[in-house]
Amino acid sequence: QQQVKQSPQSLIVQKGGISIINCAYENTAFDYFPWYQQFPGKGPALLIAIRPDVSEKKEGRFTISFNKSAKQFSLHIMDSQPGDSATYFCAARVGDSWGKLQFGAGTQVVVTP
Amino acid sequence: NAGVTQTPKFQVLKTGQSMTLQCAQDMNHNSMYWYRQDPGMGLRLIYYSASEGTTDKGEVPNGYNVSRLNKREFSLRLESAAPSQTSVYFCASSGTGGRRTDTQYFGPGTRLTVL
Repeated sequence: QQQVKQSPQSLIVQKGGISIINCAYENTAFDYFPWYQQFPGKGPALLIAIRPDVSEKKEGRFTISFNKSAKQFSLHIMDSQPGDSATYFCAARVGDSWGKLQFGAGTQVVVTP
Repeated sequence: NAGVTQTPKFQVLKTGQSMTLQCAQDMNHNSMYWYRQDPGMGLRLIYYSASEGTTDKGEVPNGYNVSRLNKREFSLRLESAAPSQTSVYFCASSGTGGRRTDTQYFGPGTRLTVL
């Protein structure tokens, strides 16, 4: 079973709108929460990441919100652009698990012009 | 600087055939990983190598073997392919030690179909 549950499976948003993807976890030993972006036919690439000592991290139009007590984190894409159309994966890693990531199932985002 | 490269890009096998997927990185990373990606399942770790000379099982190792040939290269072998191994396979690498393991760099993937 997946240790990181991601929703929704897919999302359609108009250009300029906000895309929101949510992830939930149970393992309180997770200490690093990255988001990866994948374009069709390509490998995933790190987009943004957060550690549980902060509640929010922003990089450009991308923001991670982290709620430690609820064991949830989310990705917000502000002012969504057609070039943001991709599959987004959340992930989590246990601090002493060296490098192993547990990935969510992925969300396909389509931004319409 | 090519990053992580994988060969082949596509492969079709018959049930029972064997093959090796190749991966190489030129970033001087110590750690390397093999994942498989299936629809609705995200990426699942098959095997990883913390450093040259070490390998360990991930979440879904059954039916696979790996070899860390040297610091640059990490291969994945299917000894007797099964239709359940139809998937897209990704190799990744990262630095070692503290936060250097944080960012994993992925290759372009190998799309494998087993008939």
